[in-house]
Amino acid sequence: DAKTTQPPSMDCAEGRAANLPCNHSTISGNEYVYWYRQIHSQGPQYIIHGLKNNETNEMASLIITEDRKSSTLILPHATLRDTAVYYCIVRVMGSGNTCKLIFGQGTTLQVKP
Amino acid sequence: DTEVTQTPKHLVMGMTNKKSLKCEQHMGHRAMYWYKQKAKKPPELMFVYSYEKLSINESVPSRFSPECPNSSLLNLHLHALQPEDSALYLCASSALQGPPTQYFGPGTRLLVL
Repeated sequence: DAKTTQPPSMDCAEGRAANLPCNHSTISGNEYVYWYRQIHSQGPQYIIHGLKNNETNEMASLIITEDRKSSTLILPHATLRDTAVYYCIVRVMGSGNTCKLIFGQGTTLQVKP
Repeated sequence: DTEVTQTPKHLVMGMTNKKSLKCEQHMGHRAMYWYKQKAKKPPELMFVYSYEKLSINESVPSRFSPECPNSSLLNLHLHALQPEDSALYLCASSALQGPPTQYFGPGTRLLVL
């Protein structure tokens, strides 16, 4: 199973871009990179996923390096409500086409006024 | 709509009680999941159902008994739990075609006395 490495914590000023890095050097060619976040005591919230190309949605952008060994989640204009634990996950296929998500320790992002 | 609902939100039970957690989704997803999350730790997979059949059991003790009565519902029956089973129990669902993005419910916070 491909594992991910993230910094345990980061700070970001409100209104500035938050760039959250993730290393996944053992990722396989058909594994997706997923990002979730978890605000205190709530269920994890899906943010974005990607395979090879950079992706953008209404919440964030995902930049994946050409060798796919690392990625960066970008929150373009962080707000206080973006304070959460951010998880970078490589999707591991289970049986029956299900998806086994293995959560690492994540990065605690603190957005400060 | 990407909503997964879980009931109850909070549950307190004694070690001799029998209780059930309920999860529901109406997104047409045919994969459903139970995760357990201890305080300050990442979620850990417990069970996966695919087409209403149990496809993954992560060596969970038999005092936890999952059930998937139909494609929209997932239950977790609890019996003779221990205080160390106190945790946030999260349900998720995903489609079985395409990137299987998992959508999580808000969780049930369980306290075993």
